[in-house]
Amino acid sequence: DAGVIQSPRHEVTEMGQEVTLRCKPISGHNSLFWYRQTMMRGLELLIYFNNNVPIDDSGMPEDRFSAKMPNASFSTLKIQPSEPRDSAVYFCASSPTGFGTGYTFGSGTRLTVV
Amino acid sequence: TQLLEQSPQFLSIQEGENLTVYCNSSSVFSSLQWYRQEPGEGPVLLVTVVTGGEVKKLKRLTFQFGDARKDSSLHITAAQTGDTGLYLCAGPGNTGFQKLVFGTGTRLLVSP
Repeated sequence: DAGVIQSPRHEVTEMGQEVTLRCKPISGHNSLFWYRQTMMRGLELLIYFNNNVPIDDSGMPEDRFSAKMPNASFSTLKIQPSEPRDSAVYFCASSPTGFGTGYTFGSGTRLTVV
Repeated sequence: TQLLEQSPQFLSIQEGENLTVYCNSSSVFSSLQWYRQEPGEGPVLLVTVVTGGEVKKLKRLTFQFGDARKDSSLHITAAQTGDTGLYLCAGPGNTGFQKLVFGTGTRLLVSP
């Protein structure tokens, strides 16, 4: 298995532009998570899906952020419009059902908004 | 809100030294996990501990879950440069779904 695949690895964009981050989870994993990591705040859960349905989006900072999971093999996180304070590393992770199995993380997307 | 506090925040040591990293909470967790994150990559699961008092070993790494299931420790014997990274503990949230709460992290640097 290729693991969780995220694209792009790096994204540099200008303030006000739309940014779309992509994630392909591990086949058979029915939960998908989007995290944001910064030095100041560590790993923050933005939203997670179970069986393609958003379960908890309380971590989404504001209306500028949206996430979709149209099918079991693809998810997107969109920021529109982007702001410099959105600069961070965004991780996607997936897991099968049940605690104890752990998350498998992608390699992340490093977003820089200038 | 369940919080996991890790200490120390930063640790810089020489190769061959021993070290211990701590993960503490005021809440009881049904299990705890430890992850290691190397620069430029996502966290990778090292171990899951599920029973109070449980000790698990992974080569030079020893993980312990506290008797009351509120804390955990990670001990590394004879650290190597390859142990450098961010160590994160994590436990299931109390929402009933498989949402993990991550600790604040310990950044370890092992120098040759």
